[in-house]
Amino acid sequence: DVKVTQSSRYLVKRTGEKVFLECVQDMDHENMFWYRQDPGLGLRLIYFSYDVKMKEKGDIPEGYSVSREKKERFSLILESASTNQTSMYLCASSFRAGGGNSPLHFGNGTRLTVT
Amino acid sequence: GESVGLHLPTLSVQEGDNSIINCAYSNSASDYFIWYKQESGKGPQFIIDIRSNMDKRQGQRVTVLLNKTVKHLSLQIAATQPGDSAVYFCAENNAGNNRKLIWGLGTSLAVNP
Repeated sequence: DVKVTQSSRYLVKRTGEKVFLECVQDMDHENMFWYRQDPGLGLRLIYFSYDVKMKEKGDIPEGYSVSREKKERFSLILESASTNQTSMYLCASSFRAGGGNSPLHFGNGTRLTVT
Repeated sequence: GESVGLHLPTLSVQEGDNSIINCAYSNSASDYFIWYKQESGKGPQFIIDIRSNMDKRQGQRVTVLLNKTVKHLSLQIAATQPGDSAVYFCAENNAGNNRKLIWGLGTSLAVNP
């Protein structure tokens, strides 16, 4: 089975702090994703990476950056955390499938609270 | 029982009954559709997917139906069990590599013993 591991289940950070959320997948997937999940808003894509050192902005990239130095690891960075970034953050990965689509496999999420 | 995923977010069924969860998708150009199950405290778990060149696909106790004419997707769960209690999400995509997955808001399924 594919395993997507997010380093923290719960995080509490202060406004203005720099926050790193780490994600590792063990199935050699090319694609990796960061989503946030909020009640009533569903899943929203923050950033997407289809290869090492490659990234694309999703629907809500403002206030976030990402890093993909190795194929298995995709990091989400909050440069200066704000209270409106309090959310559940979900990492996912998938095969590239020849430019088509294949299922995303998700981690169990990091619940971030910014105070 | 039936539910329209985006307008009736809660579906309650008796154990052993069949469940039908519905989704109305937005883009007629979407060519890939996928269902996920999310249990409390966990990330979404892939259930089944279907491409637009098909109208039905079956898995273990689950069937996905796609009606492109009316842009409607449904997930049928046979002999619903307590372990099926979760929030179910549909998603549609019209670009490669899942770049443009559009997610529904989810339907909560409660299975009564």
